[in-house]
Amino acid sequence: AQTVTQSQPEMSVQEAETVTLSCTYDTSESDYYLFWYKQPPSRQMILVIRQEAYKQQNATENRFSVNFQKAAKSFSLKISDSQLGDAAMYFCAYRSQGAQKLVFGQGTRLTINP
Amino acid sequence: GAGVSQTPSNKVTEKGKYVELRCDPISGHTALYWYRQSLGQGPEFLIYFQGTGAADDSGLPNDRFFAVRPEGSVSTLKIQRTERGDSAVYLCASSPTGVLSPLHFGNGTRLTVT
Repeated sequence: AQTVTQSQPEMSVQEAETVTLSCTYDTSESDYYLFWYKQPPSRQMILVIRQEAYKQQNATENRFSVNFQKAAKSFSLKISDSQLGDAAMYFCAYRSQGAQKLVFGQGTRLTINP
Repeated sequence: GAGVSQTPSNKVTEKGKYVELRCDPISGHTALYWYRQSLGQGPEFLIYFQGTGAADDSGLPNDRFFAVRPEGSVSTLKIQRTERGDSAVYLCASSPTGVLSPLHFGNGTRLTVT
């Protein structure tokens, strides 16, 4: 079974600075999808960014980008120009190709210092 | 438009009681998912519906848990003989048909079993 590990329970960053959240996963599959979700206090999970494993190019969404290292099974999230509204729990998630369920990591709590 | 709606927002029940949690997906979304998020953890998959049928119920922890979606829209998660270990946030998500369709999550129901 696939597992997802987030080794940083908490991270903090100064407003306008850059922060990187780490995620590693374990799988024997070659085709899969990786995601980063944000969960604010409202509890709603919000998709931040998605990466297809077959794509070598790292995904980018405005201030959010990933560093996808397939051989190392690593999928980190970089947030540039951090804003107060970025403060939340961040979850890394894995989905097998052809499957519907997501496997989530334990989460990283991100604090933005003004 | 309206998002995924979950009711109640919070539910407190006594050990041994029966509870029902409701999820109203986004109109037209054929896929519906239930996840359980224990305190300090990432969400864990419970069950996935495609239309009216449960396509994958491999995440249901035991036979006290059951979910239905009789008309392919609203879904109800039912928990019999609740235990204190069932205390968690129960998240519902929906998506259009398609492997790469993004999941839209609700705000969850926080269940507390006393």
